[in-house]
Amino acid sequence: EDQVTQSPEALRLQEGESSSLNCSYTVSGLRGLFWYRQDPGKGPEFLFTLYSAGEEKEKERLKATLTKKESFLHITAPKPEDSATYLCAAYGQNFVFGPGTRLSVLP
Amino acid sequence: NAGVTQTPKFQVLKTGQSMTLQCAQDMNHEYMSWYRQDPGMGLRLIHYSVGAGITDQGEVPNGYNVSRSTTEDFPLRLLSAAPSQTSVYFCASSTGLEAFFGQGTRLTVV
Repeated sequence: EDQVTQSPEALRLQEGESSSLNCSYTVSGLRGLFWYRQDPGKGPEFLFTLYSAGEEKEKERLKATLTKKESFLHITAPKPEDSATYLCAAYGQNFVFGPGTRLSVLP
Repeated sequence: NAGVTQTPKFQVLKTGQSMTLQCAQDMNHEYMSWYRQDPGMGLRLIHYSVGAGITDQGEVPNGYNVSRSTTEDFPLRLLSAAPSQTSVYFCASSTGLEAFFGQGTRLTVV
């Protein structure tokens, strides 16, 4: 059975304090690993898709990386506006989502 | 370009009532799907469609029906609402590269 877990469940950072979020997956025939940002009361907003181990993608303060078993979302010098829930999803036969990491960045 | 449009945004139903959640996309995507999101459980796939006339079940399909008569529309029907169906429902439209979500429908069944 395909499975995706994320850690930590919640993370509090000071503004400028870099950190990483983890997404571990067990999916047969992975076709893509997706990262989303979700703000309260809104739908998930697409960030990145990674397709193969070793691949990296960057967008502003965010960088996503992929290995054969997990993906990391690195946040460099975060700002309060980066506060959100970050979801990862593995796409094999279908999309399987992790429960998310709730990130709070304090000024 | 509207993307994915869901209606209604909020709905309260009584147990046993039926209703349809609407989803429309204007990106000509073949793949559309419905999810429910519950606290601490992430998004769970209800039903999906890989094209007009083709639908299939996801992880939690019981109590829900779908149809796909056009590429643009993918409605989700609750046949007889139960309190366990209280949740936030998201429709998504995707290619193999990325998925776009609607803004969600918050459904309460009393």
